[in-house]
Amino acid sequence: DAKTTQPPSMDCAEGRAANLPCNHSTISGNEYVYWYRQIHSQGPQYIIHGLKNNETNEMASLIITEDRKSSTLILPHATLRDTAVYYCIVRVGGGGGTSYGKLTFGQGTILTVHP
Amino acid sequence: NAGVTQTPKFRILKIGQSMTLQCTQDMNHNYMYWYRQDPGMGLKLIYYSVGAGITDKGEVPNGYNVSRSTTEDFPLRLELAAPSQTSVYFCASIAGGRPQETQYFGPGTRLLVL
Repeated sequence: DAKTTQPPSMDCAEGRAANLPCNHSTISGNEYVYWYRQIHSQGPQYIIHGLKNNETNEMASLIITEDRKSSTLILPHATLRDTAVYYCIVRVGGGGGTSYGKLTFGQGTILTVHP
Repeated sequence: NAGVTQTPKFRILKIGQSMTLQCTQDMNHNYMYWYRQDPGMGLKLIYYSVGAGITDKGEVPNGYNVSRSTTEDFPLRLELAAPSQTSVYFCASIAGGRPQETQYFGPGTRLLVL
């Protein structure tokens, strides 16, 4: 799986948009970009994923550059409860096989949302 | 559905003791995973299973063993506990078979080896 690079920490004011960047310059054509977050040592929580098109769900938006070498997770209206470690992970999609689903976690970005 | 459950939530072991961390999922998922997370670090894969009776090593398997006799259960065994195994352990599962799926994680087991 391709490696990812994220800033170690970011701050955001409550109510503002939080934009978390991720570089994955060695991504392959069949690899998806996944975002997870981990709140205070709980189990990681899935946020969103995408292949090459921008994606949006009830939690966040994912913007992937045209060359797919980087992406940005956007939390449109950050709240104090969004304070967490955010992980950007690149992995092969596919429907099965022995390597299916394995996630390689980096150290992520610690997002702190301030009142 | 309860999702992925793990027991115990917290345990203190003495060096050399053994224990089994339990993981159960009620979603009929084929794939299951064990990760460990050391303080300030990301998760590292210990072992995984693609179905009942099939297991394989991940990135950091030394000192651990697993078994998968049923679809629901995927216990992790520590035979001779060492201080280096002090960590938080997470179990996860995914159904498998579709191009894109998300992993479901359990709440974790905190292990302290003294």
